[in-house]
Amino acid sequence: ETGVTQSPTHLIKTRGQQVTLRCSSQSGHNTVSWYQQALGQGPQFIFQYYREEENGRGNFPPRFSGLQFPNYSSELNVNALELDDSALYLCASSSPREGNGELFFGEGSRLTVL
Amino acid sequence: AQSVTQPDIHITVSEGASLELRCNYSYGATPYLFWYVQSPGQGLQLLLKYFSGDTLVQGIKGFEAEFKRSQSSFNLRKPSVHWSDAAEYFCAVGGNAGGTSYGKLTFGQGTILTVHP
Repeated sequence: ETGVTQSPTHLIKTRGQQVTLRCSSQSGHNTVSWYQQALGQGPQFIFQYYREEENGRGNFPPRFSGLQFPNYSSELNVNALELDDSALYLCASSSPREGNGELFFGEGSRLTVL
Repeated sequence: AQSVTQPDIHITVSEGASLELRCNYSYGATPYLFWYVQSPGQGLQLLLKYFSGDTLVQGIKGFEAEFKRSQSSFNLRKPSVHWSDAAEYFCAVGGNAGGTSYGKLTFGQGTILTVHP
């Protein structure tokens, strides 16, 4: 059973650019959640995807968008990058049929915006 | 709105000493409560969770936590700390998102644990 994998692990962008982060969910998990963890902070919920549709969103602007694919993998897209977008972006997968939907986290993608 | 407070930003203990990390939450309904651990540069690993039933829950690595509804607390404990327990610990609260998974989890700011030999 493979766990949650994220790519890339590290990347550097400049202000105004766009970035796409990718997440492969754990086998059998149909729900993917994205979190932003700024340095020294706890993770903050961005949004969740269930069966390819957004299913809940945190307090993030529309320039944060996502997709979920038929194989349940997911992308997080951020447009018009700002310096404050520098953070560790965590993906978590879950399944309502397993363990009450326990979240399994990947190791994250660390984004630096210059 | 749901929220989590971890009052201690940084705790230092000696190896072999007992540990208690504090967590207070605010949630409008019956909460689901979690403790996660994060080592530097790593993702989050679930230590334990509380959904219902026995208010004392056991987790991995010898950790336990007690849910106290009257105090809105879910403190994490370990009787004897090992050097490998040095990490950052996060408390989180969520709820049932109506047939899907939890939905949104709200995390505290974390407590950094340093273990002295």
